[in-house]
Amino acid sequence: DGGITQSPKYLFRKEGQNVTLSCEQNLNHDAMYWYRQDPGQGLRLIYYSQIVNDFQKGDIAEGYSVSREKKESFPLTVTSAQKNPTAFYLCASSHIAGGPTDTQYFGPGTRLTVL
Amino acid sequence: GQNIDQPTEMTATEGAIVQINCTYQTSGFNGLFWYQQHAGEAPTFLSYNVLDGLEEKGRFSSFLSRSKGYSYLLLKELQMKDSASYLCAVMDSNYQLIWGAGTKLIIKP
Repeated sequence: DGGITQSPKYLFRKEGQNVTLSCEQNLNHDAMYWYRQDPGQGLRLIYYSQIVNDFQKGDIAEGYSVSREKKESFPLTVTSAQKNPTAFYLCASSHIAGGPTDTQYFGPGTRLTVL
Repeated sequence: GQNIDQPTEMTATEGAIVQINCTYQTSGFNGLFWYQQHAGEAPTFLSYNVLDGLEEKGRFSSFLSRSKGYSYLLLKELQMKDSASYLCAVMDSNYQLIWGAGTKLIIKP
C-alpha cells in the first residue's frame, strides 16, 4: 500500500533533550513537508523539501532541523532550542506540478509531549 | 499579510445540510483545498478548486469565487461520522499552502 508513515505516534521527552521524528513515504512524491498543529490554530509550516539534499525553512523553523538524504525520507529533529515543543507534528508529501496534483497527503502524525 | 478566515465551530443536525465558509486574502492564488480532520488524526483531502464555480463529489460540494476571495464547503445528508474539523487552505503564488484554523463541526442526532 502506498502512503506516508510517521513514527512514533506518541513521544515524550524531557526538557533539554533533542528528539527525532521519522517520516517515510512510498508515493514517489518529490516534495515533503513538516507542519506543527496547536489547538485552535492552523497548520504552521516548519520545513519543506522539494528535492533530495535541499530543504527550505518555513514560517517557524527556529529550534528545528531536517535532512533529506533520500527521496522517501524526511526526518525532523526537535532540538532543545525549541521553547515550546509540545504539539502535534504532521508530515506531508506531494507532487510538484502545479494544480490538483500538488495535493498534500499527510501521515498519521506524532504527538510530542515535553515533560 | 496572508489570512484565511473560517468560523471556529458550527453545529448541525444529522440528515441536514451545512455550509462552511472560508474567506481568504493571499499573495496570489493557485488553488483552494478543503481537508477533513477527525480529532487526533491527520487531515484527509476532500476537494480542490482553482476555477470559479461548484465542484460536486458525492455528499460534499465545494464552491469558489476568486473575485470575492470566498469558498464554501457544502455537506449534505449529514452523518454522525461527519463530526470533524474542516480545514480550508489556499496555495499562494509561491505554491505554499496557507491554512485556516479550521471549523469544528458538531453533528447532533
